[in-house]
Amino acid sequence: DGGITQSPKYLFRKEGQNVTLSCEQNLNHDAMYWYRQDPGQGLRLIYYSQIVNDFQKGDIAEGYSVSREKKESFPLTVTSAQKNPTAFYLCATTAGRGNEQFFGPGTRLTVL
Amino acid sequence: SQQGEEDPQALSIQEGENATMNCSYKTSINNLQWYRQNSGRGLVHLILIRSNEREKHSGRLRVTLDTSKKSSSLLITASRAADTASYFCATDRNRGSTLGRLYFGRGTQLTVWP
Repeated sequence: DGGITQSPKYLFRKEGQNVTLSCEQNLNHDAMYWYRQDPGQGLRLIYYSQIVNDFQKGDIAEGYSVSREKKESFPLTVTSAQKNPTAFYLCATTAGRGNEQFFGPGTRLTVL
Repeated sequence: SQQGEEDPQALSIQEGENATMNCSYKTSINNLQWYRQNSGRGLVHLILIRSNEREKHSGRLRVTLDTSKKSSSLLITASRAADTASYFCATDRNRGSTLGRLYFGRGTQLTVWP
């Protein structure tokens, strides 16, 4: 997981609450990604950012929001509009096209 | 939208046996990557094979790529109990793709019994 931290490791949310998942990296990578993982579904892309102050929607962006104010940080907010947020969330970075992605340890979000 | 499809979904073998996992994809690619995920953890990159390569080795791992069949295989030789994990293939599409974006399959769950 080296170089990428995610917090918290476990997060519990009540219905109707917004919660923010943290992702920080010290790899000096420009590109950062947020994925959602459900059992048997593999990884689905929520949002990605290729550079500071720019980000794009992935395949399942509804009910999520992000910001990229610093190169090192790419927080993900799960809003109350996300109907089924219980999942494992993974943050990743890459040095660029043609390179591997580096993943954080993940945050497991549970809605109570 | 997922690109790769791994086969089988689950594989159970004894220590010392070889494990072979397959991945099929639909569009042309720049490269294909394999990742490993231990339960409840992040993914770890194993190996990357470019579209102009046919085979690559890394330790006990051997990856092949057949772009004409749009498929790849991951072979783990002399497996160990510590190889128990989920294995994912991911593709870097050739066109119409965002810089650095990968498309992941659903994974193969490998269990190696001691």
